[in-house]
Amino acid sequence: DIQMTQSPSSLSASVGDRVTITCRASPGIRSDLSWYQQKPGKAPKRLIYAASTLQSGVPSRFSGSGSGTEFTLTISSLQPEDFATYYCLQHNSYPYTFGQGTKLEIK
Amino acid sequence: EVQLVESGGGLVQPGRSLRLSCAASGLAFDNYAMHWVRQAPGKGLEWVSGISWNSGNIGYADSVKGRFTISRDNARNSLYLQLHSLRAEDTALYYCATQDYWGQGTLVTVSS
Repeated sequence: DIQMTQSPSSLSASVGDRVTITCRASPGIRSDLSWYQQKPGKAPKRLIYAASTLQSGVPSRFSGSGSGTEFTLTISSLQPEDFATYYCLQHNSYPYTFGQGTKLEIK
Repeated sequence: EVQLVESGGGLVQPGRSLRLSCAASGLAFDNYAMHWVRQAPGKGLEWVSGISWNSGNIGYADSVKGRFTISRDNARNSLYLQLHSLRAEDTALYYCATQDYWGQGTLVTVSS
């Protein structure tokens, strides 16, 4: 099975900050990775697919990069509505696996 | 508008069974692989099971393999998850999803 390690588990930041979240896959998964945002009481929302492709309607301050074993989600300038929990998902092979999640909190 | 509506959750005793359903509308259901993802209270997301458009490729998380069975009926635009031998640790909100579209979930509580 493919193991996904997401870091950090929590992050405190201010509006306007640039933040980066990392997921590492073992073994490698090409670019078969998506990033999701989840707010309390809501279903997850996909932000990025194929590691770096922005989902339609998602603000351009979100970006994804990486391939193989290391991936990053970057938010270039945090907005108040971005405070949420973020997950990566590998969909290279069954069983799919989510990262452990990163809770982004307001400093 | 795409809608995925889950049903079938509830309170069930350990060791018992339950069948979840997901009704899809607003999308070409038979074009999509479908998945079940769960989230225990206060915890992260856990992928549970997935099925290809024609049911030819199916996968399960190790935590549910041998106990849960996924299936679909393309004629009815429906996805199912049969849960057997339920345990307390199966308590969660169960989401039906493509990778892009998600339902609002159905809550399964396993308790005596």
